[in-house]
Amino acid sequence: GQQVMQIPQYQHVQEGEDFTTYCNSSTTLSNIQWYKQRPGGHPVFLIQLVKSGEVKKQKRLTFQFGEAKKNSSLHITATQTTDVGTYFCAGAAGNKLTFGGGTRVLVKP
Amino acid sequence: SAVISQKPSRDICQRGTSLTIQCQVDSQVTMMFWYRQQPGQSLTLIATANQGSEATYESGFVIDKFPISRPNLTFSTLTVSNMSPEDSSIYLCSVERTAGYTFGSGTRLTVV
Repeated sequence: GQQVMQIPQYQHVQEGEDFTTYCNSSTTLSNIQWYKQRPGGHPVFLIQLVKSGEVKKQKRLTFQFGEAKKNSSLHITATQTTDVGTYFCAGAAGNKLTFGGGTRVLVKP
Repeated sequence: SAVISQKPSRDICQRGTSLTIQCQVDSQVTMMFWYRQQPGQSLTLIATANQGSEATYESGFVIDKFPISRPNLTFSTLTVSNMSPEDSSIYLCSVERTAGYTFGSGTRLTVV
């Protein structure tokens, strides 16, 4: 079955620094989605990428979808304490959404 | 985006008992999805609930353990049956939107 792998599992970031989390699917995806889950909360939808090579920005967050539609990345610039949480990518194939393992982000003030 | 009301938000249950989790959506949806999130882990799809038909279960999940009801287009329940400590998890319902999915606030289940 479809597998979605995400690295790193943990990311300790100094406040103000940048970091990137990567997502790879074992199969070609129709789209890829990113979610953020704050500690104690539920996943909240951030963005969906559909087109090969697509790049989207949300303020300090930049999302990319690979040319082969099998990988994606999330880059956060100038990390803030509000960025704390777990970021999940989720690959869509048909009606099924398969989540990556998540990157747990801890911010050092 | 859709608003999902999920309850209970948490429960502590004795092993061998069952718990039914409810999700109410503020608009009609064709499919509702039930996920399990074990402590510190990612989300795993349990089943897809369609109105008027039996739920479709993912590998490793069976109807006898996780019976699902879908009586109408805005409501679904998931029952965790004959619970054991290994069932301690967060259970979440979800619906698809034009872009992305909306999740309920989750049910944090502890089995003792």
